[in-house]
Formats: sequence, C-alpha cells, structure tokens
Amino acid sequence: KAGVTQTPRYLIKTRGQQVTLSCSPISGHRSVSWYQQTPGQGLQFLFEYFSETQRNKGNFPGRFSGRQFSNSRSEMNVSTLELGDSALYLCASSLGLKQGVETQYFGPGTRLLVL
Amino acid sequence: GENVGLHLPTLSVQEGDNSIINCAYSNSASDYFIWYKQESGKGPQFIIDIRSNMDKRQGQRVTVLLNKTVKHLSLQIAATQPGDSAVYFCAEKGMGSSNTGKLIFGQGTTLQVKP
Repeated sequence: KAGVTQTPRYLIKTRGQQVTLSCSPISGHRSVSWYQQTPGQGLQFLFEYFSETQRNKGNFPGRFSGRQFSNSRSEMNVSTLELGDSALYLCASSLGLKQGVETQYFGPGTRLLVL
Repeated sequence: GENVGLHLPTLSVQEGDNSIINCAYSNSASDYFIWYKQESGKGPQFIIDIRSNMDKRQGQRVTVLLNKTVKHLSLQIAATQPGDSAVYFCAEKGMGSSNTGKLIFGQGTTLQVKP
C-alpha cells in the first residue's frame, strides 16, 4: 500500500505571496492532519480534515487554511506569507475514528522557504 | 504552549549498546502515546505506540514503557545500530472531540550512534 505523499517537496516564495500544498493520504484513510515543523517550535498541529470538513483546528492565524476533497486528498493554503512561515509542513493520515486511538502516518513533508 | 517534554536533547551511544529515550508528558488525561523516528529530510516514521491502559509494549528491538503515576514515557532500543541515528519524538493524544486528529509532540531527542 502506498504511503502518504506530499507535493511539492520544496518551495521558495517571497513575502506576501500565497502557497498551496497538497497531500494524498494512504488509501482508505479518511482523516488528514496538518502540522508545521520548525526548529524553534517543533511539531505543531494546524488542523484536521475528515469527510471534507475541518474537524479540529490548532492555534494558527486565519492565513492558514485547508480543504479536503471527496477522495480524501487535502490541500492547505497559506496566504500573505511571512518570513516566519518558513518551515517543513507535514501531513499525516489515519482512518479517522472520532476520538479513537489510532496511529497517524506521515508524509515526507513540503519544505517551504519564504524570502 | 502545549508540549510533551523530553529530558535530553541529544543522546550518544555506542553501537550495540541499549538506548533509552525519555519523555515527560503533562496531560494526565491523554490516552494514547506514540514514538516516532525522524531521519534527516524525511517525515516522522511510526515506531511503536501504547495506550494508557498498558504500562509496557514491545516491538522488534524496541520497548515502550508508560508510567502514568509520574507521567513518564520511555523508548528503549536494544542493540542500537547506526541506522537508528535520528531524532525521536514522543507524541500524545488526548480524549474528547477537541483532540480529534491532533497529536501533541515533544521537542525531540537526537540519537547519535557511535561505531
């Protein structure tokens, strides 16, 4: 079974631009969670999507948004990029059992550099 | 902010020795814990997990111990190999709808294996 895939793997943008990242979950997984990883803050939860609906959200500004499609693929968008948005953006997929204890499997991440 | 803490940022061990990586968590209501391994340029890779109703779980060369009394989690790697060199993260998941799809990560411990 193929793992979680993310595209693109690397991105360079300038301040003020916007960016869209894509994530394809493991086949059969309906939940996609997004995380931001930086050296200073570590891995932080952005949001989770299930059945095309945002089911949970972390403490990030509204510039960070996402969506999920009927095939469970998900995208996240960051508008009006700031230098501090430079990070590795990871998505993770799971079955999506509500309040269930289940493993999340991560993709390789998208490395975003904002200049 | 939310965080599962790790005691040591770097652990250096000799090849063939056993490694123990520790983690302290803050939320006594968390019911699920996972250890991930992250190699340079890759996303976190699942190693082993444990539910709060257990105190020990074994995998291949790895053992996770959970002490709920002192809110402590540890990962033991037997016969450490050079391929085990990576950053190790513990993560916790709380109960309830506010924690759906959300893992809280520690800062990570870098494991260096000396030949």
